[in-house]
Amino acid sequence: DVKVTQSSRYLVKRTGEKVFLECVQDMDHENMFWYRQDPGLGLRLIYFSYDVKMKEKGDIPEGYSVSREKKERFSLILESASTNQTSMYLCASSLPKQGRSDTQYFGPGTRLTVL
Amino acid sequence: DQQVKQNSPSLSVQEGRISILNCDYTNSMFDYFLWYKKYPAEGPTFLISISSIKDKNEDGRFTVFLNKSAKHLSLHIVPSQPGDSAVYFCAASVEDRDDKIIFGKGTRLHILP
Repeated sequence: DVKVTQSSRYLVKRTGEKVFLECVQDMDHENMFWYRQDPGLGLRLIYFSYDVKMKEKGDIPEGYSVSREKKERFSLILESASTNQTSMYLCASSLPKQGRSDTQYFGPGTRLTVL
Repeated sequence: DQQVKQNSPSLSVQEGRISILNCDYTNSMFDYFLWYKKYPAEGPTFLISISSIKDKNEDGRFTVFLNKSAKHLSLHIVPSQPGDSAVYFCAASVEDRDDKIIFGKGTRLHILP
């Protein structure tokens, strides 16, 4: 079974702090994604990565950056946390599109609260 | 502009009856569709998918129907069970494009006893 783990389930930070959210997958997937989920807004893509050292902006990259130094690990960084970044953050991984299997496998999520 | 639309934020269905969750899309290039299920405080899990070359795919109690001319798909759950209470996300992707999938905003399904 694919396993995607996220470093924290719950996190509380203060405005202006630098926040690191870590995600690790154990299935050698090339693709990794960071989403945030907010009520009424669904899942919105922040950043994604197709390979080590590669990153692409998603729909809402502002205020975030990412790092992918190893294939299995994809980090989301909030350079200076703000209250509007309070959200559920979800990491996912997938294989490249082949055989039309686009299934993304998600981690359990990190509920981040910025005070 | 929302390319994948789930117009019902919530739906309540009696246990044992059929649950029908709907999804509309605007991009005619979408050729692969997925449904994900999400419980509170957990990540979404893949439920079922359908390729645009088909109009129906069935997996146990779950069936997805695709109407390409109407750009509409639906997820049927028969019979509905208490454990089906969750948020359901519809998602779509385009072949020969990047590996992103586009999610709808989700529908919260409540199964009533």
